[in-house]
Amino acid sequence: DGGITQSPKYLFRKEGQNVTLSCEQNLNHDAMYWYRQDPGQGLRLIYYSQIVNDFQKGDIAEGYSVSREKKESFPLTVTSAQKNPTAFYLCASSTGQSNEKLFFGSGTQLSVL
Amino acid sequence: RKEVEQDPGPFNVPEGATVAFNCTYSNSASQSFFWYRQDCRKEPKLLMSVYSSGNEDGRFTAQLNRASQYISLLIRDSKLSDSATYLCVVRAPYGQNFVFGPGTRLSVLP
Repeated sequence: DGGITQSPKYLFRKEGQNVTLSCEQNLNHDAMYWYRQDPGQGLRLIYYSQIVNDFQKGDIAEGYSVSREKKESFPLTVTSAQKNPTAFYLCASSTGQSNEKLFFGSGTQLSVL
Repeated sequence: RKEVEQDPGPFNVPEGATVAFNCTYSNSASQSFFWYRQDCRKEPKLLMSVYSSGNEDGRFTAQLNRASQYISLLIRDSKLSDSATYLCVVRAPYGQNFVFGPGTRLSVLP
């Protein structure tokens, strides 16, 4: 079955630690996205990538980093510079065509110890 | 003004009721419009795209008003399983990203 796989489902970060969230898709989509969702709020764009080896900052990129070495993979690293990392993180992908839709992974809940 | 605005609700309606949500957007160049449904602590799932002529999918009807820059979602004969948060999503022409509204929470009561 085609889809987007995020792991882990739950992640705990110690102060000063970098953690990496995994996102893999087998939909052959060109574009991939990372969003952050805080309780009771909408989704905010962290980073996006329209093509392999290229990515752009979204609205709240500070304290995060990404890579896009393969079409299928778009990992997100939450660095120690992100002072308020507790949130629900969602990875998404789309075809890159007009009138495209977004497809989401099941999300990772990150909490600070 | 936020790019996409929605009434956060909650809308509490009895089973069988008809309920409507509106969403306004600020970018007049927006080209694609969607409604997503999100259950608590789950990923958003596409409910329906919204087309210029309006479209219907079973109990759900979506409308687009470009002149007033809003889209709407009508749910008829509400079911308990319709309880969720409904996200309005807008996209400008190719190359622009998807912009999400904050969502409208619906609770269908027995």
